[in-house]
Amino acid sequence: KAGVTQTPRYLIKTRGQQVTLSCSPISGHRSVSWYQQTPGQGLQFLFEYFSETQRNKGNFPGRFSGRQFSNSRSEMNVSTLELGDSALYLCASSQRVSTDTQYFGPGTRLTVL
Amino acid sequence: TQLLEQSPQFLSIQEGENLTVYCNSSSVFSSLQWYRQEPGEGPVLLVTVVTGGEVKKLKRLTFQFGDARKDSSLHITAAQPGDTGLYLCAGARGGATNKLIFGTGTLLAVQP
Repeated sequence: KAGVTQTPRYLIKTRGQQVTLSCSPISGHRSVSWYQQTPGQGLQFLFEYFSETQRNKGNFPGRFSGRQFSNSRSEMNVSTLELGDSALYLCASSQRVSTDTQYFGPGTRLTVL
Repeated sequence: TQLLEQSPQFLSIQEGENLTVYCNSSSVFSSLQWYRQEPGEGPVLLVTVVTGGEVKKLKRLTFQFGDARKDSSLHITAAQPGDTGLYLCAGARGGATNKLIFGTGTLLAVQP
């Protein structure tokens, strides 16, 4: 099976812009979770989608949003980017729930200037 | 508030040495997972422990889940340069907040 893929791998944006990141889960996996990883805060849970519905949400402002399509592919969007949004954004898929084994993609490295 | 604290935060050792990484919490978890992350990649699952007191071995790696299911440890015997990476524990809590909570991470460097 192909692994989790994320696009783009690297992204540079400026403050105030918005960005959309994409994630294709492992075939057959219905749960997609998004995480933000920074040196200071570690790996922080953003949200989880299952069958096109947001099932769980972390403690992030409303500027962070996401969606899932019928083929389980997911996108996350960050609006009005701030310098502090610079991070590695990881997508993970699992078969049923986000507490199952998480299969992570390589991440998208976002730099906000 | 970080629910899972890992120690040490950084560890640099020579090839062949032994080491232990700790993952501690004041909360009870239904299960605990250990991941390793290498540069430029996402974390990869090493093991899942479910039962209090459970011990699992994966070649030179030994994982233990505390009796009260609040803490865990990872012991590596005779470390090798290939063990280098970021080690993350992640706890699962059931109920309405059924999501993984990741620990603060331990960055291990094994020098040849």
